Amino acid sequence: GAVVSQHPSWVICKSGTSVKIECRSLDFQATTMFWYRQFPKQSLMLMATSNEGSKATYEQGVEKDKFLINHASLTLSTLTVTSAHPEDSSFYICSARAPPMNTEAFFGQGTRLTVV
Amino acid sequence: RKEVEQDPGPFNVPEGATVAFNCTYSNSASQSFFWYRQDCRKEPKLLMSVYSSGNEDGRFTAQLNRASQYISLLIRDSKLSDSATYLCVAPGGGSQGNLIFGKGTKLSVKP
Repeated sequence: GAVVSQHPSWVICKSGTSVKIECRSLDFQATTMFWYRQFPKQSLMLMATSNEGSKATYEQGVEKDKFLINHASLTLSTLTVTSAHPEDSSFYICSARAPPMNTEAFFGQGTRLTVV
Repeated sequence: RKEVEQDPGPFNVPEGATVAFNCTYSNSASQSFFWYRQDCRKEPKLLMSVYSSGNEDGRFTAQLNRASQYISLLIRDSKLSDSATYLCVAPGGGSQGNLIFGKGTKLSVKP
């Protein structure tokens, strides 16, 4: 089946620094990728939809200047958490749906971010 | 009404038990649904797709009731390895294919 790879799987950073998370579709082209965030004992919440070659679409309440999304190619989307704070500590996970669009979503392995 | 609502759980059952999870969705136009399984600190993985009135895969049966906007997952003969959080998933309203996740129901199967 389709594979989505996410890197890094975990990261610890100091408050105020930036962290970049990569999401790659390994065996299919993904014009659209989705970035989710999951806090402990909570559901996955969609943060933004990443579109290849255009601006990302952010969900209400998600700061686009803090969570920078770049989708420069059909197989790579990146999420950069800028000026990270402890409250940004969470499980970040990307996904993509291989064509046709009504198929299952494939997820990256997730990135556990801890800001200290 | 929340977009996807699930039984809060947790469900603690003995091995061999039959357990059912329920889920309701708010978007009546949704066509396809999914049950995902998520292990602790791991990414969700597809368990079953639910496209029509329901489908069965081994010990797992998913059912869809469009009139009531209700989806269920039945697990028969529970195994220890079934312990996980089960996520009910519906399509989002956008045209780009995003998915809406329920909060999940935690299942613990005990010896």
